[in-house]
Amino acid sequence: TQLLEQSPQFLSIQEGENLTVYCNSSSVFSSLQWYRQEPGEGPVLLVTVVTGGEVKKLKRLTFQFGDARKDSSLHITAAQPGDTGLYLCAGLREGGSYIPTFGRGTSLIVHP
Amino acid sequence: SAVISQKPSRDICQRGTSLTIQCQVDSQVTMMFWYRQQPGQSLTLIATANQGSEATYESGFVIDKFPISRPNLTFSTLTVSNMSPEDSSIYLCSVEDIVLGELFFGEGSRLTVL
Repeated sequence: TQLLEQSPQFLSIQEGENLTVYCNSSSVFSSLQWYRQEPGEGPVLLVTVVTGGEVKKLKRLTFQFGDARKDSSLHITAAQPGDTGLYLCAGLREGGSYIPTFGRGTSLIVHP
Repeated sequence: SAVISQKPSRDICQRGTSLTIQCQVDSQVTMMFWYRQQPGQSLTLIATANQGSEATYESGFVIDKFPISRPNLTFSTLTVSNMSPEDSSIYLCSVEDIVLGELFFGEGSRLTVL
């Protein structure tokens, strides 16, 4: 079973549309991170959320950590072709390893 | 931040052969990590490579299949031995910035086994 479930797995949208990607778990995390990976590259960290209910904004990207610290969402407003990529959530479990557990990722394609 | 270079970036290999992937970091790091990324799957940690000691392997991965070297604080290699088509994947080298709490990744090595 996957510790972190991401949905949707694939998303194909037109430029200018809004979208939300979800990352859910039955486990509590001390922190949760979102990475973006472009083809032929390694993942790059976008944000880390550590407090339940926390909301962070990065330009058109809004990240939220659930109150119970079991889930997170990534919302993109007015998507652009440059947002195309694989979005991965990664969680650090409380009292667990310092190595994050990754979700399977959401593959986003934004068409011009 | 850390800059990580991996070689080869991609390769096509025959069944039964072995391939060694190299990872070079632009700064000294205590631990280096090797991940596998299969299509439609999450990043899976293969092992943690520590300088001066044997690598620590995660469940489902063994040294005979994935031998790792860590000769110094800036370099590591991962060998995929006796390859089968199931080993076709992207292999990623990573280091952690403990202060930032962030993982930095190489660009990955895409292996296709025929």
